[in-house]
Amino acid sequence: AQKVTQAQTEISVVEKEDVTLDCVYETRDTTYYLFWYKQPPSGELVFLIRRNSFDEQNEISGRYSWNFQKSTSSFNFTITASQVVDSAVYFCALTGLTNSGYSTLTFGKGTMLLVSP
Amino acid sequence: ETGVTQTPRHLVMGMTNKKSLKCEQHLGHNAMYWYKQSAKKPLELMFVYNFKEQTENNSVPSRFSPECPNSSHLFLHLHTLQPEDSALYLCASSPPGRSYEQYFGPGTRLTVT
Repeated sequence: AQKVTQAQTEISVVEKEDVTLDCVYETRDTTYYLFWYKQPPSGELVFLIRRNSFDEQNEISGRYSWNFQKSTSSFNFTITASQVVDSAVYFCALTGLTNSGYSTLTFGKGTMLLVSP
Repeated sequence: ETGVTQTPRHLVMGMTNKKSLKCEQHLGHNAMYWYKQSAKKPLELMFVYNFKEQTENNSVPSRFSPECPNSSHLFLHLHTLQPEDSALYLCASSPPGRSYEQYFGPGTRLTVT
C-alpha cells in the first residue's frame, strides 16, 4: 500500500531562516512520481514539483530545493531565506494505482509552515 | 490560476438540505476527481471520472452523489449530510495519459450544521 509520512506537523521560523520539510514514502511500485504541493490559506493546491523515481538528481528552483534519496525513500524540501509569503501548508504526494488501475495521488498529512517577520 | 474552478467557495448547510458542488475545467483534460480534505487528515480521494465514466468510488457513502455530464464539468450532489462531512472538497483534473499530473481547484469549504 502507498503511504506518505510528513512527521513535522507544524514548523515556525523567522524570516530569512532556512527550513527543511521532511517527506518519507512507502511504495512497492518500481516506477512512481513524487510531488510537493503548497496550500495557502485560500485553499487551492499549488503544484511545486514532480520528480520521477528514476531521476535522483536534486533540483533547485530559486529559493526552493528538493533532495530525493531513493535509498532512504525520502523526498525533502528546503526553502532558503524563508519569507512570510511562504507561510502555508505543504503536502508531499506519491502516485499510486486505484483498484481500477487508474493513477492517483496519495498525500501526506501536510506540514504547516509559519514564517514570522 | 490553474484553470480549474469550483463553486461555491463556501457552503453552510443543514443535515436535511440538498445542495450541489460544481467543478469546471476548460483545459482539455479528460479525467476529473473529487477529494475530501478534513482537518488534520490527508487528502482522501473520493471519485474519479474518465471521459465522463466513473472509474473509481473510494467507498464513499451514498449521501455523496457525483455527476459528470461531460469532460469539462463535475458535480457533487449532497443530501442528508452529517456534521463530520464538514471539510474542504477539492476538485482536480488531469490530461489524457497523464493522470498523475493533477491540477486542483480552490476547493469548496463545506460546513454541515
